[in-house]
Amino acid sequence: NAGVTQTPKFQVLKTGQSMTLQCAQDMNHEYMSWYRQDPGMGLRLIHYSVGAGITDQGEVPNGYNVSRSTTEDFPLRLLSAAPSQTSVYFCASSRLAGTDTQYFGPGTRLTVL
Amino acid sequence: AQSVTQPDIHITVSEGASLELRCNYSYGATPYLFWYVQSPGQGLQLLLKYFSGDTLVQGIKGFEAEFKRSQSSFNLRKPSVHWSDAAEYFCSSASKIIFGSGTRLSIRP
Repeated sequence: NAGVTQTPKFQVLKTGQSMTLQCAQDMNHEYMSWYRQDPGMGLRLIHYSVGAGITDQGEVPNGYNVSRSTTEDFPLRLLSAAPSQTSVYFCASSRLAGTDTQYFGPGTRLTVL
Repeated sequence: AQSVTQPDIHITVSEGASLELRCNYSYGATPYLFWYVQSPGQGLQLLLKYFSGDTLVQGIKGFEAEFKRSQSSFNLRKPSVHWSDAAEYFCSSASKIIFGSGTRLSIRP
Protein backbone atom coordinates (compact mmCIF):
# COMPACT_ATOMS: atom_id res chain seq x y z
CA ASN A 1 0.00 0.00 0.00
CA ALA A 2 1.96 3.01 -1.31
CA GLY A 3 -0.65 5.66 -0.40
CA VAL A 4 -0.30 8.79 -2.54
CA THR A 5 2.66 8.95 -4.90
CA GLN A 6 3.89 11.92 -6.89
CA THR A 7 6.45 12.19 -9.66
CA PRO A 8 8.81 13.84 -10.23
CA LYS A 9 10.17 15.05 -6.88
CA PHE A 10 12.03 17.94 -8.47
CA GLN A 11 11.65 19.69 -11.82
CA VAL A 12 13.18 22.74 -13.47
CA LEU A 13 11.40 24.27 -16.45
CA LYS A 14 11.99 27.22 -18.70
CA THR A 15 9.27 29.79 -19.18
CA GLY A 16 6.78 28.60 -21.78
CA GLN A 17 7.51 24.90 -21.43
CA SER A 18 4.76 22.46 -20.60
CA MET A 19 4.81 19.49 -18.29
CA THR A 20 2.61 17.11 -16.34
CA LEU A 21 2.91 16.38 -12.64
CA GLN A 22 1.80 12.87 -11.91
CA CYS A 23 -0.27 11.78 -8.91
CA ALA A 24 -1.57 8.33 -8.10
CA GLN A 25 -3.28 6.75 -5.09
CA ASP A 26 -3.98 3.12 -4.31
CA MET A 27 -6.58 3.59 -1.56
CA ASN A 28 -9.62 3.71 -3.87
CA HIS A 29 -10.36 7.25 -2.76
CA GLU A 30 -12.98 9.15 -4.67
CA TYR A 31 -11.71 12.61 -3.83
CA MET A 32 -8.36 13.93 -5.10
CA SER A 33 -6.92 17.40 -5.13
CA TRP A 34 -3.89 19.47 -6.05
CA TYR A 35 -2.44 22.21 -3.87
CA ARG A 36 0.44 24.58 -4.23
CA GLN A 37 2.43 25.68 -1.22
CA ASP A 38 4.18 29.03 -1.16
CA PRO A 39 5.99 30.61 1.79
CA GLY A 40 3.61 32.35 4.19
CA MET A 41 0.53 31.36 2.20
CA GLY A 42 -0.24 27.86 3.42
CA LEU A 43 -1.73 25.48 0.91
CA ARG A 44 -3.97 26.79 -1.83
CA LEU A 45 -6.31 24.52 -3.73
CA ILE A 46 -5.71 24.43 -7.49
CA HIS A 47 -8.13 21.80 -8.79
CA TYR A 48 -10.02 18.91 -7.30
CA SER A 49 -12.00 15.88 -8.37
CA VAL A 50 -14.85 14.10 -6.59
CA GLY A 51 -14.61 11.03 -8.82
CA ALA A 52 -13.52 9.72 -12.19
CA GLY A 53 -14.63 12.03 -14.96
CA ILE A 54 -15.45 14.92 -12.60
CA THR A 55 -13.14 17.84 -11.95
CA ASP A 56 -13.59 21.37 -10.68
CA GLN A 57 -11.58 24.49 -10.02
CA GLY A 58 -10.20 25.50 -6.67
CA GLU A 59 -8.88 28.81 -5.45
CA VAL A 60 -5.98 29.26 -7.93
CA PRO A 61 -6.75 27.30 -11.14
CA ASN A 62 -5.31 29.64 -13.78
CA GLY A 63 -2.48 28.12 -15.81
CA TYR A 64 -3.29 24.56 -14.77
CA ASN A 65 -5.38 21.77 -16.27
CA VAL A 66 -6.47 18.46 -14.79
CA SER A 67 -8.31 15.35 -15.87
CA ARG A 68 -9.50 12.26 -13.99
CA SER A 69 -9.90 9.30 -16.31
CA THR A 70 -9.44 6.72 -13.56
CA THR A 71 -10.03 6.64 -9.81
CA GLU A 72 -6.31 6.15 -9.19
CA ASP A 73 -4.71 8.93 -11.25
CA PHE A 74 -5.04 12.70 -11.17
CA PRO A 75 -2.36 14.43 -13.28
CA LEU A 76 -1.80 18.18 -13.18
CA ARG A 77 -0.75 19.87 -16.42
CA LEU A 78 1.07 23.14 -16.79
CA LEU A 79 0.37 24.31 -20.33
CA SER A 80 2.88 27.16 -20.54
CA ALA A 81 4.99 27.47 -17.42
CA ALA A 82 5.54 30.89 -15.85
CA PRO A 83 7.94 31.94 -13.06
CA SER A 84 4.88 32.60 -10.86
CA GLN A 85 4.25 28.85 -10.91
CA THR A 86 7.48 28.16 -9.06
CA SER A 87 6.20 26.38 -5.97
CA VAL A 88 5.89 23.07 -4.17
CA TYR A 89 2.94 21.05 -5.40
CA PHE A 90 1.09 18.52 -3.28
CA CYS A 91 -1.46 15.98 -4.36
CA ALA A 92 -3.91 14.66 -1.78
CA SER A 93 -6.70 12.13 -1.67
CA SER A 94 -9.51 11.27 0.70
CA ARG A 95 -12.36 8.82 0.88
CA LEU A 96 -14.93 11.59 0.76
CA ALA A 97 -14.84 15.24 -0.12
CA GLY A 98 -14.91 17.88 2.57
CA THR A 99 -15.27 15.87 5.76
CA ASP A 100 -12.60 13.24 5.57
CA THR A 101 -8.91 13.08 6.39
CA GLN A 102 -6.71 13.95 3.44
CA TYR A 103 -3.63 11.88 2.66
CA PHE A 104 -0.84 13.82 1.05
CA GLY A 105 1.88 12.85 -1.36
CA PRO A 106 5.52 13.84 -0.74
CA GLY A 107 5.34 16.85 -3.05
CA THR A 108 6.97 18.07 -6.26
CA ARG A 109 9.29 21.05 -6.09
CA LEU A 110 8.97 22.98 -9.36
CA THR A 111 11.20 25.84 -10.43
CA VAL A 112 10.36 27.87 -13.53
CA LEU A 113 13.21 29.99 -14.87
CA ALA B 1 -16.06 34.38 3.24
CA GLN B 2 -14.93 31.32 5.06
CA SER B 3 -11.40 31.52 6.44
CA VAL B 4 -8.89 29.85 8.71
CA THR B 5 -6.35 32.05 10.48
CA GLN B 6 -3.17 31.05 12.22
CA PRO B 7 -1.96 34.28 13.82
CA ASP B 8 1.51 33.04 14.76
CA ILE B 9 3.96 32.66 11.88
CA HIS B 10 6.83 31.30 13.97
CA ILE B 11 7.02 30.09 17.57
CA THR B 12 10.07 28.94 19.53
CA VAL B 13 9.69 26.94 22.72
CA SER B 14 12.17 25.15 24.93
CA GLU B 15 12.30 21.38 24.90
CA GLY B 16 10.05 20.07 27.66
CA ALA B 17 7.92 23.21 27.76
CA SER B 18 4.23 23.30 26.94
CA LEU B 19 2.95 24.41 23.56
CA GLU B 20 -0.19 26.05 22.24
CA LEU B 21 -0.67 26.89 18.57
CA ARG B 22 -3.61 29.09 17.71
CA CYS B 23 -6.20 28.57 15.01
CA ASN B 24 -9.29 30.69 14.40
CA TYR B 25 -11.98 29.94 11.86
CA SER B 26 -14.89 31.81 10.43
CA TYR B 27 -17.80 29.64 9.41
CA GLY B 28 -21.49 29.76 10.19
CA ALA B 29 -22.18 26.12 10.90
CA THR B 30 -20.01 23.75 12.90
CA PRO B 31 -16.90 23.27 10.80
CA TYR B 32 -14.89 20.14 10.30
CA LEU B 33 -11.48 21.07 11.66
CA PHE B 34 -8.11 19.41 11.26
CA TRP B 35 -4.53 19.90 12.36
CA TYR B 36 -1.76 18.65 10.09
CA VAL B 37 1.99 18.58 10.62
CA GLN B 38 4.61 18.95 7.92
CA SER B 39 8.20 17.94 8.60
CA PRO B 40 10.88 19.52 6.40
CA GLY B 41 10.73 18.21 2.84
CA GLN B 42 7.71 16.05 3.58
CA GLY B 43 4.01 16.05 2.82
CA LEU B 44 1.38 16.77 5.45
CA GLN B 45 0.34 14.24 8.06
CA LEU B 46 -2.88 14.36 10.06
CA LEU B 47 -2.46 15.03 13.80
CA LEU B 48 -6.11 15.14 14.81
CA LYS B 49 -9.58 16.17 13.68
CA TYR B 50 -12.85 17.46 15.09
CA PHE B 51 -16.26 16.80 13.58
CA SER B 52 -18.69 16.84 16.49
CA GLY B 53 -19.17 15.63 20.05
CA ASP B 54 -16.48 16.00 22.68
CA THR B 55 -14.78 19.34 22.11
CA LEU B 56 -11.40 18.09 23.37
CA VAL B 57 -9.85 15.75 20.83
CA GLN B 58 -6.74 13.67 21.21
CA GLY B 59 -4.33 13.09 18.38
CA ILE B 60 -1.10 11.35 17.59
CA LYS B 61 2.29 12.20 19.10
CA GLY B 62 0.72 13.47 22.35
CA PHE B 63 -1.12 16.40 20.76
CA GLU B 64 -4.63 17.53 21.64
CA ALA B 65 -6.90 20.34 20.49
CA GLU B 66 -9.97 21.99 21.91
CA PHE B 67 -12.86 23.30 19.84
CA LYS B 68 -14.34 26.46 21.34
CA ARG B 69 -17.35 27.69 19.42
CA SER B 70 -17.67 30.87 21.49
CA GLN B 71 -14.13 31.88 20.50
CA SER B 72 -14.19 30.37 16.99
CA SER B 73 -10.97 28.64 17.88
CA PHE B 74 -9.39 25.22 17.56
CA ASN B 75 -6.04 25.55 19.31
CA LEU B 76 -3.46 22.78 19.30
CA ARG B 77 -1.69 21.90 22.55
CA LYS B 78 1.03 19.64 23.81
CA PRO B 79 2.08 19.51 27.48
CA SER B 80 5.78 18.84 26.84
CA VAL B 81 7.44 19.29 23.46
CA HIS B 82 10.27 17.19 22.10
CA TRP B 83 12.96 18.27 19.65
CA SER B 84 11.31 16.06 17.04
CA ASP B 85 8.19 18.26 17.16
CA ALA B 86 10.00 20.98 15.21
CA ALA B 87 7.94 21.29 12.03
CA GLU B 88 5.29 23.40 10.39
CA TYR B 89 1.72 23.02 11.59
CA PHE B 90 -1.38 23.73 9.56
CA CYS B 91 -4.94 24.15 10.70
CA SER B 92 -7.57 23.28 8.13
CA SER B 93 -11.31 23.55 7.75
CA ALA B 94 -12.55 20.67 5.64
CA SER B 95 -15.95 22.18 5.10
CA LYS B 96 -14.49 24.05 2.20
CA ILE B 97 -10.98 22.67 2.35
CA ILE B 98 -9.20 25.79 3.51
CA PHE B 99 -5.79 25.79 5.10
CA GLY B 100 -4.32 28.38 7.40
CA SER B 101 -0.97 29.89 6.47
CA GLY B 102 0.87 27.68 8.93
CA THR B 103 2.92 28.10 12.11
CA ARG B 104 6.54 27.10 12.12
CA LEU B 105 7.62 25.57 15.42
CA SER B 106 11.24 25.67 16.52
CA ILE B 107 12.51 23.89 19.62
CA ARG B 108 15.17 25.45 21.81
CA PRO B 109 17.49 22.81 23.34
